[in-house]
Amino acid sequence: TQLLEQSPQFLSIQEGENLTVYCNSSSVFSSLQWYRQEPGEGPVLLVTVVTGGEVKKLKRLTFQFGDARKDSSLHITAAQPGDTGLYLCAGDAGKSTFGDGTTLTVKP
Amino acid sequence: NAGVMQNPRHLVRRRGQEARLRCSPMKGHSHVYWYRQLPEEGLKFMVYLQKENIIDESGMPKERFSAEFPKEGPSILRIQQVVRGDSAAYFCASSPGQIYGYTFGSGTRLTVV
Repeated sequence: TQLLEQSPQFLSIQEGENLTVYCNSSSVFSSLQWYRQEPGEGPVLLVTVVTGGEVKKLKRLTFQFGDARKDSSLHITAAQPGDTGLYLCAGDAGKSTFGDGTTLTVKP
Repeated sequence: NAGVMQNPRHLVRRRGQEARLRCSPMKGHSHVYWYRQLPEEGLKFMVYLQKENIIDESGMPKERFSAEFPKEGPSILRIQQVVRGDSAAYFCASSPGQIYGYTFGSGTRLTVV
């Protein structure tokens, strides 16, 4: 069974701060997805990374896939209250394994 | 272009009753996945289906749970003789193929009383 560990589990910061959350595994993944979930809703796909070392940017969000394709990070610059939510990573599309997520709270 | 539609959004069942959860995938998506989520936890895989076929049901309890994705109509997750421990949010997701990320529905929140 492939396991994904996300850290930190909870993160509370002030608006304008930067943050990084991590997704780690001992398994190699052919692809890795990041999702954001708001209370009462389903997760929304943010990005898919496929190539080891790949970096993708989505406005203030920067996603990186580790060289060995076992880990990934999500960096948010100048966080805003609208970034609040549960950030989930998932490995290998098609019966994806999900991490337990990082709950991010951005205070105004 | 409607997304993944799940209904009902909320479902209350008494212990011992049956729960039927429906999922209509996005247009053009032939792969359907069901996940279960407990409060403040991640998503746990239950079953992966394509039209008329169960591809992987390794995450689904052997008893009381079943899933189908018929040629016509939505995918159905069926829970027979529900117990309190079945209370959770059940999410359906669809994709156009195995290499793509998912589009999720808004979920069905099942409460067993």
